[in-house]
Amino acid sequence: SQKIEQNSEALNIQEGKTATLTCNYTNYSPAYLQWYRQDPGRGPVFLLLIRENEKEKRKERLKVTFDTTLKQSLFHITASQPADSATYLCALDMRYNKLIFGAGTRLAVHP
Amino acid sequence: GAVVSQHPSWVICKSGTSVKIECRSLDFQATTMFWYRQFPKQSLMLMATSNEGSKATYEQGVEKDKFLINHASLTLSTLTVTSAHPEDSSFYICSADRGGSKNIQYFGAGTRLSVL
Repeated sequence: SQKIEQNSEALNIQEGKTATLTCNYTNYSPAYLQWYRQDPGRGPVFLLLIRENEKEKRKERLKVTFDTTLKQSLFHITASQPADSATYLCALDMRYNKLIFGAGTRLAVHP
Repeated sequence: GAVVSQHPSWVICKSGTSVKIECRSLDFQATTMFWYRQFPKQSLMLMATSNEGSKATYEQGVEKDKFLINHASLTLSTLTVTSAHPEDSSFYICSADRGGSKNIQYFGAGTRLSVL
């Protein structure tokens, strides 16, 4: 079965630095890979989507890369701010209308 | 746009009682709605997928008689936890898909269920 690995340890960085989060998966590549943000006690919020034939996608301070050879996606937040502190989930869209979520990586941006 | 409302946000109930959770898409018609369960520091576990007017599709290991899903309209889906027990205590989250080729899901705020 498909497995998704996100770093379970929290990522602590200084304000203004770039945060990089990793999502690795096993088996076959998804049609799309999505990234969501989840705050404590809240539902996830969609951030970015990248297709299997795209290498990189950007949205404001966010950048996502997708390497189907490495079976990995990287999620970058540039010029990070304390307000970016949250848990970030990657999700695989396996073409049958369901998403498979990773456990998420908690990001803490310190002033 | 794409706002999903989920109620209640928090509920405490006695063991053996039933609890209903509502999920509404406020500004779009949802072709499909999903129900997830999430334990602390764990990923969202899909429980079931529901389409308006048809029976929900449950994931393996999820008891359909325990977790009743009704998708009455294109904007409303409900999850009823029947005869709740303490092990059903969890964070339940719904999401809605507005259709199209990209399966972006819009999530409700979640419901924290505590069964005493």
